[in-house]
Amino acid sequence: DIQLTQSPSFLSASVGDRVTITCRASQGISSYLAWYQQKPGKAPKLLIYAASTLQSGVPSRFSGSGSGTEFTLTISSLQPEDFATYYCQQLNSYPRSFGQGTKVEIK
Amino acid sequence: EVQLVESGGGLVKPGGSLRLSCAASGFTFSSYSMNWVRQAPGKGLEWVSSISSSSSYIYYADSVKGRFTISRDNAKNSLYLQMNSLRAEDTAVYYCARSGTTRFFDYWGQGTLVTVSS
Repeated sequence: DIQLTQSPSFLSASVGDRVTITCRASQGISSYLAWYQQKPGKAPKLLIYAASTLQSGVPSRFSGSGSGTEFTLTISSLQPEDFATYYCQQLNSYPRSFGQGTKVEIK
Repeated sequence: EVQLVESGGGLVKPGGSLRLSCAASGFTFSSYSMNWVRQAPGKGLEWVSSISSSSSYIYYADSVKGRFTISRDNAKNSLYLQMNSLRAEDTAVYYCARSGTTRFFDYWGQGTLVTVSS
């Protein structure tokens, strides 16, 4: 089974900051990685798929990069509505697995 | 507009059973693989099960294998999760999610809460 490890688990940042979250896979997953945003009490929302493709309707301040075992999600200028928990997910093989999440809070 | 609406959650005793449903609309349901994902209170996301468009391929997480059964009825645009031998650790919000053409989970329902407690 493929394990995904996100870092950091918690991040405190200010509006306007550049934020980077890392997701490491225990084995190579090519580009079969997605990033989701989840706000309290809501369902996850797909932000990035295939490691670097922006889902339709997602602001361009979000970007993804990486392949193989190391991936990053970057928010170029953090906005108030971006404070949420972010999860990576691999879809290279079953069982599909998620990272443990990164909570982004207001500094 | 794509919509996924879960139902069937509730309070059940350990060892009991529950059947979740997910009603799909706004897309050709029979063309897409579907998934169940759960989230225990205050915890992260956990993939539970996936089913291909024609039900030919079915996968389960080890934590539910042998106890849960995923199924679908393409004529009714519905996805199901039959949950048997429920345990306290199955307490979670259960989401259904569509696998888009790129295989990624592009649409999610609002979730239904399952609580397993005596």
